[in-house]
Amino acid sequence: GQNIDQPTEMTATEGAIVQINCTYQTSGFNGLFWYQQHAGEAPTFLSYNVLDGLEEKGRFSSFLSRSKGYSYLLLKELQMKDSASYLCAVIRGSTLGRLYFGRGTQLTVWP
Amino acid sequence: GAGVSQSPRYKVAKRGQDVALRCDPISGHVSLFWYQQALGQGPEFLTYFQNEAQLDKSGLPSDRFFAERPEGSVSTLKIQRTQQEDSAVYLCASSSRTGSAGELFFGEGSRLTVL
Repeated sequence: GQNIDQPTEMTATEGAIVQINCTYQTSGFNGLFWYQQHAGEAPTFLSYNVLDGLEEKGRFSSFLSRSKGYSYLLLKELQMKDSASYLCAVIRGSTLGRLYFGRGTQLTVWP
Repeated sequence: GAGVSQSPRYKVAKRGQDVALRCDPISGHVSLFWYQQALGQGPEFLTYFQNEAQLDKSGLPSDRFFAERPEGSVSTLKIQRTQQEDSAVYLCASSSRTGSAGELFFGEGSRLTVL
């Protein structure tokens, strides 16, 4: 919903780097989250961007371009445990916990 | 508790039955959200509470869905006369912040299957 687009599936090998892209409609934009969700588990917070630029946190980095309606999540030194769905979610308007999620990108990491 | 707790984790209901799903948020968290996640999809917003006040229920799909949080902590999502299209994982999330973007902490969800 809300035209938040991300690839459905991606694959990579252990130790590699993968970039998961997310595009969204810019109207009412008030911030962007990335969540990780393993099958059957709760989504867990990875990153939050509200200003343009790159936020780095260990092996994970997230980038935002507000004018382009574009974000990416960069995962370095991939591990098998990184196999999961990665959800891009946008805040619009003033209810700051009301997130509009993309469908998620299912990442499979091969040995 | 240490995290957001939801019960039951799994619920199977016959079409037409009523179900109640419980969410126990992180202690002291003011904001509470319910989301619905269908298989292979991202979560979709249902409703939002700030303390005991339901400030936004625009995501509830029909009048068969009802949520409450009477004392500003535990919340219950009730679905009346369940239909097969209600089958989904119902996620509860809480946040400590109201006036700024705060991290949402999600529970593991209640998986509802309607036969």
